[in-house]
Amino acid sequence: SQQGEEDPQALSIQEGENATMNCSYKTSINNLQWYRQNSGRGLVHLILIRSNEREKHSGRLRVTLDTSKKSSSLLITASRAADTASYFCARGSQGNLIFGKGTKLSVKP
Amino acid sequence: SQTIHQWPATLVQPVGSPLSLECTVEGTSNPNLYWYRQAAGRGLQLLFYSVGIGQISSEVPQNLSASRPQDRQFILSSKKLLLSDSGFYLCAWSVWTGVLAGSYNEQFFGPGTRLTVL
Repeated sequence: SQQGEEDPQALSIQEGENATMNCSYKTSINNLQWYRQNSGRGLVHLILIRSNEREKHSGRLRVTLDTSKKSSSLLITASRAADTASYFCARGSQGNLIFGKGTKLSVKP
Repeated sequence: SQTIHQWPATLVQPVGSPLSLECTVEGTSNPNLYWYRQAAGRGLQLLFYSVGIGQISSEVPQNLSASRPQDRQFILSSKKLLLSDSGFYLCAWSVWTGVLAGSYNEQFFGPGTRLTVL
């Protein structure tokens, strides 16, 4: 499959805990992107990390990229109930973006 | 600022009926435009993308078609819907990348249309 594959498929944590989601891919990339989707809504772009970058931060979000292992991780620190959503990684290469199936995150208050 | 609109928000159609979903973008010119379908609990499947007026590329063979009659308007159509066409349809845009496909920049998504074919 050309899709990015996220794991875990589902993650349930308590408010205040950190949430880590992983994404693996099989072919070369020029960037990897993370998106968030609230139930029944469109996707919202979170972070884009380019193939020559190893780490990127945005507020409580931290994304890492290891091109040698063909993997990326998204860390949400000090999670909040409002972070409950599905999170997708998307691989950018020479073609169009290829989305994974997502990780469903549930943050319990 | 840029905004993207989709309508209708929800649609229930009988098998064999036609379909027309519309997407419009405001606040940007010459965007790349995309139609995706998302089945329940699944990732996104790219259906069509367009790098300019009248330029449509199809990613998946199916009974759907797309058109781009104006720079910021993207329409998804079908002459006869199938049960398997049910799903959540998302339109998105990204900054124009010319003839290249749209994986170099972030994409901005509309609110989606929930289609149920009965």
